[in-house]
Amino acid sequence: DTGVSQDPRHKITKRGQNVTFRCDPISEHNRLYWYRQTLGQGPEFLTYFQNEAQLEKSRLLSDRFSAERPKGSFSTLEIQRTEQGDSAMYLCASLRELGNTEAFFGQGTRLTVV
Amino acid sequence: GENVEQHPSTLSVQEGDSAVIKCTYSDSASNYFPWYKQELGKRPQLIIDIRSNVGEKKDQRIAVTLNKTAKHFSLHITETQPEDSAVYFCAASDDKIIFGKGTRLHILP
Repeated sequence: DTGVSQDPRHKITKRGQNVTFRCDPISEHNRLYWYRQTLGQGPEFLTYFQNEAQLEKSRLLSDRFSAERPKGSFSTLEIQRTEQGDSAMYLCASLRELGNTEAFFGQGTRLTVV
Repeated sequence: GENVEQHPSTLSVQEGDSAVIKCTYSDSASNYFPWYKQELGKRPQLIIDIRSNVGEKKDQRIAVTLNKTAKHFSLHITETQPEDSAVYFCAASDDKIIFGKGTRLHILP
C-alpha cells in the first residue's frame, strides 16, 4: 500500500495515560498534517510539518500534545496525561509541496479514553 | 487565524436534483480551495479543488466556484445520485489547510 498509513487504527487507554500515534506519509510528500475529528465535525487542524520542521501548532492545542517528524519521513503524535475529551479520530494527511497539490489522508487512529 | 464557515450543516435533495454547499473563509492569503467527501467510517477524499487564479472549475457533475473578493466558494452537484450521500467538507489553504465543519448530504429516492 503506497498511501498514507497510520498506526494503530484503534487505541483504548485509561485517563491519565500517555499515548503515541504514528503516521507514515506517501514517500515523496514533504508536507505532513495532523488533524483531530470528532463525530459530526470537520477535521480540526492540530499541527503541520514541512520535512522535519514543525511550521505551526494550533493555538487551541494543549501543551499535553506534541508532535515530531525527526527525519522528515514518518511522524509521531503524543498525548500526555490523556483526558476523556481527547477521545476522537486522529487523522494524518500528506502532500507534495509544489503549488498546493492534493492532500491524501490516512485512515486515522481512533482514540477512546476511558 | 483562518476560519472557514460552511453551510448548510445538513442538506436533503431529491435524487436527480442539484445540491449547493457554500463556504466562506477569513484569510485573504488563502489561495487553494479543495473539497473533500467523507463516507461513513472512511477517510476524507478529494473530489475537486480550485486555485485562486480561477473563478470556476467543473468535473462532470461537480463544479466549484470561487469569489475571492467576497471570500466565498461553493460546491455544486448536479443530477444527484444515491452514491452522492456523504459528508462534504470545504477547506481553505495558504500552507496549512483549514476545514469547514461539513455538510451532511442526503439524497432522497
